[in-house]
Amino acid sequence: AQRVTQPEKLLSVFKGAPVELKCNYSYSGSPELFWYVQYSRQRLQLLLRHISRESIKGFTADLNKGETSFHLKKPFAQEEDSAMYYCALVTQGGSEKLVFGKGTKLTVNP
Amino acid sequence: DTGVSQDPRHKITKRGQNVTFRCDPISEHNRLYWYRQTLGQGPEFLTYFQNEAQLEKSRLLSDRFSAERPKGSFSTLEIQRTEQGDSAMYLCASSLTGGRQPQHFGDGTRLSIL
Repeated sequence: AQRVTQPEKLLSVFKGAPVELKCNYSYSGSPELFWYVQYSRQRLQLLLRHISRESIKGFTADLNKGETSFHLKKPFAQEEDSAMYYCALVTQGGSEKLVFGKGTKLTVNP
Repeated sequence: DTGVSQDPRHKITKRGQNVTFRCDPISEHNRLYWYRQTLGQGPEFLTYFQNEAQLEKSRLLSDRFSAERPKGSFSTLEIQRTEQGDSAMYLCASSLTGGRQPQHFGDGTRLSIL
């Protein structure tokens, strides 16, 4: 079965604090994971792709196959990071459709 | 390139009516996807096109739903005899082919059934 779990529906931190958004997945094939972000009144957009191993807007995410996790981290949160974050896996072969988690709403307080 | 374009942005209709949504993908993208998102949920896959061929449909796509992509360019999603449960945001995404390319999303069409 293909499943992505984001255990936190809401996450609130203060500006400058570290933030970690959790994501766990279940997939029998070779996993490829993404983080998408949706800022207020904007479309869903790609934030990170695990195979890129890059940092975008200060965010990083490491794929841990042993723990089947792909947590999103940022050492110092900014108010502009407030958004809805979705973790997604892409299926292998065929349609390569995205399977999304339910999302975590991050609020960064001043 | 303005990205993936969807029309209309909002649609309000009475139960039992038919509705049609349009998606214009990024021009060089030959893959096109439709997703549905309800409140508190992430987007859920509905169907997928490779050029003009519809190659996969989710079990969520009942027989009241039909999608087309004539000539492999824009796509339409039609819902016949709408029901209350069809109220949702309908998202379109497009991508290049191969290597699990990132999908680029449109703003979506929000459907409200009265």
